[in-house]
Amino acid sequence: DGGITQSPKYLFRKEGQNVTLSCEQNLNHDAMYWYRQDPGQGLRLIYYSQIVNDFQKGDIAEGYSVSREKKESFPLTVTSAQKNPTAFYLCASRTGGSSYNEQFFGPGTRLTVL
Amino acid sequence: SQQGEEDPQALSIQEGENATMNCSYKTSINNLQWYRQNSGRGLVHLILIRSNEREKHSGRLRVTLDTSKKSSSLLITASRAADTASYFCATVLQGGSEKLVFGKGMKLTVNP
Repeated sequence: DGGITQSPKYLFRKEGQNVTLSCEQNLNHDAMYWYRQDPGQGLRLIYYSQIVNDFQKGDIAEGYSVSREKKESFPLTVTSAQKNPTAFYLCASRTGGSSYNEQFFGPGTRLTVL
Repeated sequence: SQQGEEDPQALSIQEGENATMNCSYKTSINNLQWYRQNSGRGLVHLILIRSNEREKHSGRLRVTLDTSKKSSSLLITASRAADTASYFCATVLQGGSEKLVFGKGMKLTVNP
């Protein structure tokens, strides 16, 4: 079964803690993305990676960090420096190449800071 | 940075009616994509239209693109209750950008 998985589905964090959200894909996609979605809002890009061991900041990277050690995996760490981390986090991937095609999304992780 | 903006922000129709959603954007694009999101779920890609295309069909979906007006519309014909979701337009900017820029989305409710 090909697709993108995110875990956990729900995550609760105390203030001051770092947490890591998992994103795995078995679609053999080159590019992977992390988005944040707030209620009633569109998606905002946090980080993206076009190849292994390389990634770029998106529009709202402050307070977040990522790694891309394997093609299949793109974990996102929400650090204590992120002032308002409560949100719905979505991971996506797409095939590489010059023709920009669609992104495939995971089911999301809802993070709540207590 | 918000590139696309959907209009209306919310639409409520009866099953069987057609639903039209509009998207306006600000800068030149490579392509424009429409996605659907059911409540609390990830997004699902619906259709992609390139900047040199004017109209595209996929099942009950029809997308148009007017680059002179920097706008696109998504038409869902013969709507069903299962079409109830949020719909987003997203653009790939001209110049080979790797990024998709999403609008805020619009909520469609199809009443049975």
